[in-house]
Amino acid sequence: AQTVTQSQPEMSVQEAETVTLSCTYDTSENNYYLFWYKQPPSRQMILVIRQEAYKQQNATENRFSVNFQKAAKSFSLKISDSQLGDTAMYFCAFLDQGAQKLVFGQGTRLTINP
Amino acid sequence: GAGVSQSPSNKVTEKGKDVELRCDPISGHTALYWYRQSLGQGLEFLIYFQGNSAPDKSGLPSDRFSAERTGGSVSTLTIQRTQQEDSAVYLCASRLGGMNTEAFFGQGTRLTVV
Repeated sequence: AQTVTQSQPEMSVQEAETVTLSCTYDTSENNYYLFWYKQPPSRQMILVIRQEAYKQQNATENRFSVNFQKAAKSFSLKISDSQLGDTAMYFCAFLDQGAQKLVFGQGTRLTINP
Repeated sequence: GAGVSQSPSNKVTEKGKDVELRCDPISGHTALYWYRQSLGQGLEFLIYFQGNSAPDKSGLPSDRFSAERTGGSVSTLTIQRTQQEDSAVYLCASRLGGMNTEAFFGQGTRLTVV
C-alpha cells in the first residue's frame, strides 16, 4: 500500500522568506502523480501544484515549485516570497495510475508571520 | 452544481444514534472519495468509488461505517451507533477520472457526537 509521510507537523517563517515543506512516499508503482494541496482556515482544500512521475522537469506555479526526486521518493514544496495568505495546512498527496486511490500525508501547518 | 456539495455542513448527534452524511459530486466525475479529518490532523482515507467498479473500502475504521453511491452520482456515508471518537470533519472529493486530474473537495461535514 502506498504511504505518504510529512515529517514537519508545523513550520513558521517571516513574510517574504522562502520555505520548503518536505514529503516522502512509498510505492512500488512506476507511473503515478503527486500533488500539494492547501487547506486554509476556511477548510476548503485547494490544489497548489501537481507533478507527473514520468516527467523529470520539476513543476512550477508562480511562487510555488517542487523538487521531485523519484529515486529517493521525495517531493518537497518550495514557496518563494511567502505571503500572509499562504498560512494554511499543506498536504502532500499520491495518486497511483492503477487503482487511482488518492492518499494524503499528515499535513504541515504553515504560519507566515508579518 | 459548480462544485462538490456536502450536507449537512454541521451535525451534532447523541452517542449511539445513526447519522447520514451526503455528498453531491461534480456532474460527470466518475471518482468519489471520502476522508475523515480529526481536529487539526491529516486526511484519513475512508472509501473510494470509481464508476461501476466495486468500491475500495479499505479505509473504513469499523463495520459501523458504510457508504454507497447511487447511480454513479450522489454518495451517502452512514455511521451507525455513533461514538465520541467519530467526531471529526468528513470530507468528500470527486475527480473526473483517469490520470492527471485534480480532486475537487466539498466544504466538509463537521460531526460532533455528544
